[in-house]
Amino acid sequence: AQSVTQLDSQVPVFEEAPVELRCNYSSSVSVYLFWYVQYPNQGLQLLLKYLSGSTLVKGINGFEAEFNKSQTSFHLRKPSVHISDTAEYFCASSGGTSYGKLTFGQGTILTVHP
Amino acid sequence: GAVVSQHPSRVICKSGTSVKIECRSLDFQATTMFWYRQFPKQSLMLMATSNEGSKATYEQGVEKDKFLINHASLTLSTLTVTSAHPEDSSFYICSAEIAGSYNEQFFGPGTRLTVL
Repeated sequence: AQSVTQLDSQVPVFEEAPVELRCNYSSSVSVYLFWYVQYPNQGLQLLLKYLSGSTLVKGINGFEAEFNKSQTSFHLRKPSVHISDTAEYFCASSGGTSYGKLTFGQGTILTVHP
Repeated sequence: GAVVSQHPSRVICKSGTSVKIECRSLDFQATTMFWYRQFPKQSLMLMATSNEGSKATYEQGVEKDKFLINHASLTLSTLTVTSAHPEDSSFYICSAEIAGSYNEQFFGPGTRLTVL
């Protein structure tokens, strides 16, 4: 079975500072990886996804993530955050025996302070 | 882009009543829709996978007789919480997968269910 671990439950950061949200996955087969953002009382919005090809994936709102197979990681980064980036971020995986199903990490609450 | 809507956005009901939540893909056809529930400060847990024209596939531990799912068309899936109890209070989120697009899921805005 697949699992996704987000190493930080909360990440506080000041505006315009860089940020990294960590995500590790476990799977013995090829996986697809995703990052979603959730604003309060809203559904999820896809930030970016890795299906194959280049290991550096660029998404919306200036976010990017790097797929690292040897470290089974898919960390999300942004070089300079804004107040509006304050939200909860979920890493998710699918593929292998979990065809079509997303397995979510526990979520990381990013709080950007002025 | 692909838009998924849910109705209602919020519902409050009395214990013992049934509540129906609709999930619609507005501008694309979705052969597969997924239903998740999210407890406060927790992640999303998949409840069931709904395929158009066939019975839903429920995850382990989810009562299929309590959470009735119907996927009658390529743009509509419904989740009915039957005989709701306070412990069913949660945030229910649906997602829809574009036909022919592997793992491209688009999420609805969610429905907040409160059972008194």
